[in-house]
Amino acid sequence: AQSVTQLGSHVSVSEGALVLLRCNYSSSVPPYLFWYVQYPNQGLQLLLKYTSAATLVKGINGFEAEFKKSETSFHLTKPSAHMSDAAEYFCAVSARSGNQFYFGTGTSLTVIP
Amino acid sequence: DSGVTQTPKHLITATGQRVTLRCSPRSGDLSVYWYQQSLDQGLQFLIQYYNGEERAKGNILERFSAQQFPDLHSELNLSSLELGDSALYFCASGRGGTGELFFGEGSRLTVL
Repeated sequence: AQSVTQLGSHVSVSEGALVLLRCNYSSSVPPYLFWYVQYPNQGLQLLLKYTSAATLVKGINGFEAEFKKSETSFHLTKPSAHMSDAAEYFCAVSARSGNQFYFGTGTSLTVIP
Repeated sequence: DSGVTQTPKHLITATGQRVTLRCSPRSGDLSVYWYQQSLDQGLQFLIQYYNGEERAKGNILERFSAQQFPDLHSELNLSSLELGDSALYFCASGRGGTGELFFGEGSRLTVL
């Protein structure tokens, strides 16, 4: 079975500071991993995905994530936070069959001017 | 625009009533997923359909049911509504394999 754990339901960073959102996964097989972002009153949008190619994955809006098998982690980072990054971020995992997706509980990112 | 269309966007109804939420997936996507998002429960997987057949079931109440039609659109039926059913209901579609899910903008249900 697959699952993801997002550490920290709320994260606050100053504008221009490093963004680090944590995600750990549990999977009996090598998984596919995803980060989604949800802006207020909108649906979820894909930021990036890992599907067993390069372990460092670059996404939209300057975000990237690194797949670390030894740590079962897929943390999301951005070197410099922007006010427009304030949103809810979800980590998700799916089995290689791609049939079921499991989402974390989400991390709300606040960017302080 | 994700290509996934959900209607209605907003719905206000009373306890005990029944509502139907509709989802049109992206062109070419055979899988449709339904999720419920509430403040205290986060994003909960309800049910998945693939090409008209139920593929996986999550935390879906017996009062809720869904189906996927031959044209691949899907409907989520919620009956005997309770106050706690107030939530944002998302539909997502995908093609399986390494593909990600594409989400609609959601249907916000308020039960009074």
